[in-house]
Amino acid sequence: QVQLQESGPGLVKPSGTLSLTCAVSGDSISSTNWWSWVRQTPGKGLEWIGEIYHSGSTNYSPSLKSRVTISVDKSQNQFSLKLTSVTAADTAVYYCARGQQLFDYWGQGTLVTVSS
Amino acid sequence: EIVLTQSPGTLSLSPGERATLSCRASQSVTSSYLAWYQQKPGQAPRLLIYGAFSRATGIPDRFSGSGSGTDFTLAISRLEPEDLAVYYCQQYDRSPQTFGQGTKVEIK
Repeated sequence: QVQLQESGPGLVKPSGTLSLTCAVSGDSISSTNWWSWVRQTPGKGLEWIGEIYHSGSTNYSPSLKSRVTISVDKSQNQFSLKLTSVTAADTAVYYCARGQQLFDYWGQGTLVTVSS
Repeated sequence: EIVLTQSPGTLSLSPGERATLSCRASQSVTSSYLAWYQQKPGQAPRLLIYGAFSRATGIPDRFSGSGSGTDFTLAISRLEPEDLAVYYCQQYDRSPQTFGQGTKVEIK
């Protein structure tokens, strides 16, 4: 059974950096799958952030590209998200998911609040 | 980017009734690269339908998808109490993939 688990701080200060990690079990991060981050806010709904392949290839949403970095750690079977210069608009539930276009397995999500 | 508009915002139906959810795209979604997800309260979304009409693994045949171009539909026949959820459409034809704002299905 494939499982994904997000972890990281639930509170980030404005202008700071949001950092999350997604631990994968039941599948290898080095498989033929891509791995993605998606966030959900009450105002904008579900928003795709970006994706990574185990080779390190990445694709990012144009609206977030200047602030996002997604990386992979094959030794730990996990991948990570960094979002810089955060504002209150980045407050959201952040999900990691398996897939490039379709997302067939999701983490349970983690709420990140941007506030001083 | 492609904007997806879902209607209605909320659907309130009784168990056993049929639900019909609409998703309209601002541009044609070629190759029917349109998916539907179900999100129950407090849970992550779950993939229901991909390629406009193909059911994902383990999804009961009460759920069916149809449509092409700019107009797509998710139908839920014989509603059950467990179908209480918000349903989202997603296009993955053009990057960035985008989601609709969701239709909430309430069970009377």
